[in-house]
Amino acid sequence: DQQVKQNSPSLSVQEGRISILNCDYTNSMFDYFLWYKKYPAEGPTFLISISSIKDKNEDGRFTVFLNKSAKHLSLHIVPSQPGDSAVYFCAASYGAGNQFYFGTGTSLTVIP
Amino acid sequence: DTEVTQTPKHLVMGMTNKKSLKCEQHMGHRAMYWYKQKAKKPPELMFVYSYEKLSINESVPSRFSPECPNSSLLNLHLHALQPEDSALYLCASSDESGGAGVTQYFGPGTRLTVL
Repeated sequence: DQQVKQNSPSLSVQEGRISILNCDYTNSMFDYFLWYKKYPAEGPTFLISISSIKDKNEDGRFTVFLNKSAKHLSLHIVPSQPGDSAVYFCAASYGAGNQFYFGTGTSLTVIP
Repeated sequence: DTEVTQTPKHLVMGMTNKKSLKCEQHMGHRAMYWYKQKAKKPPELMFVYSYEKLSINESVPSRFSPECPNSSLLNLHLHALQPEDSALYLCASSDESGGAGVTQYFGPGTRLTVL
């Protein structure tokens, strides 16, 4: 049962434009959400997170938006750069002693 | 410092071999994880250790045996693996095992090939 879903397996964006990566979840108990970036044959790198008590969190070029009523979050990258080309995973968790649930990933390609 | 280290970086083993993967973190984290990742798939949780005790085992075959010698170290012992076990094995750690504000940090992974 996939509790966290990323419905777009891939996305291509021109350099300098905005990249929007989407993530949906089904478990209303999730209270913390994270985005990771992964290059091939490397471990995921933590990018940004958001708590369920917020609807937006910003860190430089990266902004995460959370819509709890829609059980939806998105990652905005502005401006997109070629080095942002990677696979992006969203993840969610709730409570102590529980695991992190990962989405299926979106492969972002930023075209120079 | 948010570094999780893993050794070896690459490992090739036969189906009758016994090998171990090692993971280390010095962030004082109390939860450590093993994940398996196949190409173009999300990380698949295998084991979670919380305060050096095994707290989650996701029905992993017994040919994979985890060990947590202390709060900084996590091992994964491999024996009699199958070719389908070839994957990127990721170690991760976090302050606690889940919950609001808890961020998981990953190591670079060990690329395992079973011949």
